[in-house]
Amino acid sequence: DGGITQSPKYLFRKEGQNVTLSCEQNLNHDAMYWYRQDPGQGLRLIYYSQIVNDFQKGDIAEGYSVSREKKESFPLTVTSAQKNPTAFYLCASSLSRGNEQYFGPGTRLTVT
Amino acid sequence: GENVEQHPSTLSVQEGDSAVIKCTYSDSASNYFPWYKQELGKRPQLIIDIRSNVGEKKDQRIAVTLNKTAKHFSLHITETQPEDSAVYFCAASRSDTGTASKLTFGTGTRLQVTL
Repeated sequence: DGGITQSPKYLFRKEGQNVTLSCEQNLNHDAMYWYRQDPGQGLRLIYYSQIVNDFQKGDIAEGYSVSREKKESFPLTVTSAQKNPTAFYLCASSLSRGNEQYFGPGTRLTVT
Repeated sequence: GENVEQHPSTLSVQEGDSAVIKCTYSDSASNYFPWYKQELGKRPQLIIDIRSNVGEKKDQRIAVTLNKTAKHFSLHITETQPEDSAVYFCAASRSDTGTASKLTFGTGTRLQVTL
């Protein structure tokens, strides 16, 4: 499971709290992505980053924030403004000029 | 933006039979179409992909076909085995040199291979 890692595997939080999910890659990929997966649905893009200190909103960015201070790291913060934060969160990376995205093992977030 | 529809949502086949999953996309500028396999609780893994300059690609028991005119692409799995049981996702993106690939995913097909 090397290459791209996410931690923790399971995360529990109380409603109203912000929480940060970690994503690290050692593939020397320029681009990194965050997806959300809900039961019975496909993956939906939250944010993506093409280079350090740059990121763009995906299709469902509301209630989330990201940073890209290092090439290897792309943490995602789920804020209290996210209405339904309970989901499986997947991080991915790719070469900027390529297309194949490699996924991390995911973090299952439960907010009660 | 891009919209990808995937059918069927569930598919049950007997071991040794073939399975076909179909996807349609809306953006005629999309030029990259990957297929991912996701086992329960695991990460999605790329199994095959196709670019818009080819119509078909094969890798052992797996093949993908692309019809750009009709804007649809399909995954074909032959001689299915129990280990093929998983959820399969299609996706589409338009990628330009130097930019990230914004994948739009279908909603997935749960394939069950029975003995």
